[in-house]
Amino acid sequence: QQQVKQSPQSLIVQKGGISIINCAYENTAFDYFPWYQQFPGKGPALLIAIRPDVSEKKEGRFTISFNKSAKQFSLHIMDSQPGDSATYFCAASNSSGSRLTFGEGTQLTVNP
Amino acid sequence: DAGITQSPRHKVTETGTPVTLRCHQTENHRYMYWYRQDPGHGLRLIHYSYGVKDTDKGEVSDGYSVSRSKTEDFLLTLESATSSQTSVYFCAIRKQGVYGYTFGSGTRLTVV
Repeated sequence: QQQVKQSPQSLIVQKGGISIINCAYENTAFDYFPWYQQFPGKGPALLIAIRPDVSEKKEGRFTISFNKSAKQFSLHIMDSQPGDSATYFCAASNSSGSRLTFGEGTQLTVNP
Repeated sequence: DAGITQSPRHKVTETGTPVTLRCHQTENHRYMYWYRQDPGHGLRLIHYSYGVKDTDKGEVSDGYSVSRSKTEDFLLTLESATSSQTSVYFCAIRKQGVYGYTFGSGTRLTVV
């Protein structure tokens, strides 16, 4: 079964808009929550990550919001650009970090 | 992708034949992983390694075996390929004490 559920499956946003992708997890032992970005023909690349001791982390136009009680976290992309068009994966792992569990992925398209 | 290469990049094989995919790293990282990527399923862990000759199963290990006789190489073998194993396979590496993964560029495998 999928321990990390991601939505939406696909998302279309206009240039300059805000893209929001949501994830929910079940395992309360998870304590590391990264987001990966993948362009066609390439492997996923780490974009940003958060630990549950903070509720928000921001890096440039990318922000992770984390809600521990709801077991949910989300990625916000501000001022979305066509170059942000890619597939985004949320993931989670426990404190050992030995294995990441990924969500199903969201294909983001930013129209010019 | 810096420090990690997968071979071959593309392969077409027939049902019932054995197939071996190779992951090679130059980073001397302890941890190596094999994932498969399928639409609607995201990335699912097949097997991983935490050292030479130390491996463990992931969530979709049936029909796959792995070997790691040297730090730099992690081999994934499909013992008898089936059409359900048609997928894109990604190798990833992780440095001990660091949670982020570095992914290779993937191998697209088609079983006909």
